[in-house]
Amino acid sequence: DAGVIQSPRHEVTEMGQEVTLRCKPISGHDYLFWYRQTMMRGLELLIYFNNNVPIDDSGMPEDRFSAKMPNASFSTLKIQPSEPRDSAVYFCASSLALYGYTFGSGTRLTVV
Amino acid sequence: AQSVTQLDSQVPVFEEAPVELRCNYSSSVSVYLFWYVQYPNQGLQLLLKYLSGSTLVKGINGFEAEFNKSQTSFHLRKPSVHISDTAEYFCAVSDGGATNKLIFGTGTLLAVQP
Repeated sequence: DAGVIQSPRHEVTEMGQEVTLRCKPISGHDYLFWYRQTMMRGLELLIYFNNNVPIDDSGMPEDRFSAKMPNASFSTLKIQPSEPRDSAVYFCASSLALYGYTFGSGTRLTVV
Repeated sequence: AQSVTQLDSQVPVFEEAPVELRCNYSSSVSVYLFWYVQYPNQGLQLLLKYLSGSTLVKGINGFEAEFNKSQTSFHLRKPSVHISDTAEYFCAVSDGGATNKLIFGTGTLLAVQP
């Protein structure tokens, strides 16, 4: 099992540009979560899906953020337009019911 | 609403000494509790979890935690730490059946010194 796969590992972009982060969950997992980690705010849950359906997006900071899960093996988190304050590490995690999350290695986003 | 409090932002300890990382939670429903570890520049890795049953839970790397319902605590312990245990440790709570959503604490940096 390759685990949760995120791409890219690092992303540097200019303010105003569109950024797309990608995630491939573990096969068979029915939940997918997007988290953001910063020094100031710690780990914040942005949005999560159950069986590809968005369940709770109350953590999405602004309309500039959007997430999709077109099928059970792929999800994207998009920021358009990006701003310097979006700089953070973005984690994707998947789980099967109560068995605990498996996290990806994260995408370190820097917006300059 | 559920919440998790990790009072210690950093815990320095000497190698081979015992350590306890504290975690307190608040919830109005049955809870499921987790400890995760994050090594530098890596994702979070599950250390152990409490879902039900025995209140003493054993995890990987020699760590264990005890669920104490009366004190609403889930402290993480290790009898003898190694340099390689230096990492950030996160406590998390979930209501499991309702949303499966994990709420994380702010983390505790365990700094093991030689």
